[in-house]
Amino acid sequence: QSALIQPASVSGSPGQSITISCTGTNRDVGAYDYVSWYQQYPGKAPKLVIYDVRYRPSGISSRFSGSKSGNTASLTISGLQAEDEADYHCSSYTTINTRVFGGGTKLTVL
Amino acid sequence: QVQLQQWGAGLLKPGETLSLTCAVYGGSVRGHFWSWIRQPPGKGLEWIGELNDSGRSSYNPSLKSRVTLSVDTSKNQVSLTLSGVTAADTGVFYCARGQAAAATGHWGQGTLVIVSS
Repeated sequence: QSALIQPASVSGSPGQSITISCTGTNRDVGAYDYVSWYQQYPGKAPKLVIYDVRYRPSGISSRFSGSKSGNTASLTISGLQAEDEADYHCSSYTTINTRVFGGGTKLTVL
Repeated sequence: QVQLQQWGAGLLKPGETLSLTCAVYGGSVRGHFWSWIRQPPGKGLEWIGELNDSGRSSYNPSLKSRVTLSVDTSKNQVSLTLSGVTAADTGVFYCARGQAAAATGHWGQGTLVIVSS
């Protein structure tokens, strides 16, 4: 199984909105609404911020939102804050009952 | 509040077997899927596999031949063994509990494993 494709880096200024894409195939992202997104600070474990494409776990800010179109999922962070600067990873369930991650995207808040 | 505490040998020689254990506090291992995920230095996450207490399991095809996952309900622990390690297996290994259909909501602190001769 091949890793999902994410941009290596994105950046934005405080208050702006950014979107991180996650591109797969019809054997993973496009097959099910089982895409999740994780936020990871340096040296820390990842934290779930979106599951099942668009749902936020309890305690996650409404500034985080997810969507999907075809084989590409997206994570949007609105009202960007300095604390959002982190790495973001997407993951998808696959048609062979496994999971696959993307390569990760480094978000820089300018 | 569920907490996962993991431990295991951090320095291995090529060819040896990696063995990690993850203890679950504040919740039961029963009724959940338990995943293992690794992260090579400076790189993205890689899913290793998952299983539940009923024995239902799934593995990354590229690692399946070397991976064994287990659940010990009596100790409330889950374990990972990875045989025949090489330098390419160096990284931080995480245990995590499943959430919803295919996400992981609770993560261990991570264990750095270095494979070097």
